Amino acid sequence: DSGVTQTPKHLITATGQRVTLRCSPRSGDLSVYWYQQSLDQGLQFLIQYYNGEERAKGNILERFSAQQFPDLHSELNLSSLELGDSALYFCASSVGPEATQYFGPGTRLLVL
Amino acid sequence: AQSVTQLDSHVSVSEGTPVLLRCNYSSSYSPSLFWYVQHPNKGLQLLLKYTSAATLVKGINGFEAEFKKSETSFHLTKPSAHMSDAAEYFCVVSDGRGSTLGRLYFGRGTQLTVWP
Repeated sequence: DSGVTQTPKHLITATGQRVTLRCSPRSGDLSVYWYQQSLDQGLQFLIQYYNGEERAKGNILERFSAQQFPDLHSELNLSSLELGDSALYFCASSVGPEATQYFGPGTRLLVL
Repeated sequence: AQSVTQLDSHVSVSEGTPVLLRCNYSSSYSPSLFWYVQHPNKGLQLLLKYTSAATLVKGINGFEAEFKKSETSFHLTKPSAHMSDAAEYFCVVSDGRGSTLGRLYFGRGTQLTVWP
């Protein structure tokens, strides 16, 4: 158990819908990262937050957004969902940017 | 730019024989390198990491990796495979040391199969 929690574990929804994925980092970790794992793209970095502020963006679609709250948990919002958004979404946390990242169990999203 | 190439998408070994998973990296900065393992329907677990200390890095479950700057390689090895080692392994490079960013760049993964 890494100490990073993600909810829900599984999510099934329809095209055009909007979903929210939640991540609670390890106690004491200020950095939160979101990654997407899909069959065609592999594991890709989406976005990074540090102590509530966005630090870096990767290959994140405009339909996706995220935020980190004062209690340091983070949410990833996916809207206007398409079939191709079906993937495993991981959250990771670390004490700081150069520290080891610990991954949550992931949220498996299926868009029908 | 940071990137990694895992040279084998699949590796099959017999239980008790050595494991070698190959990885080459490209980095504009002094790299931090990692190996993560993903068991079926599980999250990602850190096996080991290289920052700047010893070039031979020991990890969990008997795995180790050697950083070779001249070859830009970071191959993962284990002397004797166990059935429980069957999983997908990812070689990873991060934004360079000293960066305020901590993005991880993953290879495409190597699926390790261990035969009894």
